[in-house]
Amino acid sequence: DQQVKQNSPSLSVQEGRISILNCDYTNSMFDYFLWYKKYPAEGPTFLISISSIKDKNEDGRFTVFLNKSAKHLSLHIVPSQPGDSAVYFCAASAVNSGAGSYQLTFGKGTKLSVIP
Amino acid sequence: DTGVSQDPRHKITKRGQNVTFRCDPISEHNRLYWYRQTLGQGPEFLTYFQNEAQLEKSRLLSDRFSAERPKGSFSTLEIQRTEQGDSAMYLCASSLVQGSHEQYFGPGTRLTVT
Repeated sequence: DQQVKQNSPSLSVQEGRISILNCDYTNSMFDYFLWYKKYPAEGPTFLISISSIKDKNEDGRFTVFLNKSAKHLSLHIVPSQPGDSAVYFCAASAVNSGAGSYQLTFGKGTKLSVIP
Repeated sequence: DTGVSQDPRHKITKRGQNVTFRCDPISEHNRLYWYRQTLGQGPEFLTYFQNEAQLEKSRLLSDRFSAERPKGSFSTLEIQRTEQGDSAMYLCASSLVQGSHEQYFGPGTRLTVT
């Protein structure tokens, strides 16, 4: 049972346009959501996050939107640049109250290609 | 460089052999996580340490896997009697003390079991 879903395996966008990456989740206990970017042969790099008490968080060209009622979040990249080409992972966490762990549950990723 | 480091970056081993990986977290981070990533999947949680205490283990962590963090700094992940299904990228991540959800990942160790 996949608790975090990224239904688009790939996305191609023209340089300068907006990239929108989507993510859905099923576990109502998730209270924090993160986006990671991954280049081949490297570990995931933290990009941006949002708490469940917010509906939007912005950091430069990156904005994450959270719709709790729909259990949906999206990452907007404006304007898209060729260096943004990578695999983007959506992740969610819910504090494990017993152990204090904030383990992350990841989606399968979306490969973004920004075309010059 | 003060990021998370992992060693080795690549490991090729024959089925049945034992392997050990090392992770050095960011120095002030007391939380350490191990994840495993296979082709076409996102990383999957294996185990969690707070300082030297291993506080949570995934059901993915079979009895052939063992992890330690003896002094609350670096951590090791050992796989005994490796199987072809163990072939994956093993990722280590660390984070700050209580209240921080952001985890910072190392470059990973790519394990290939032949």
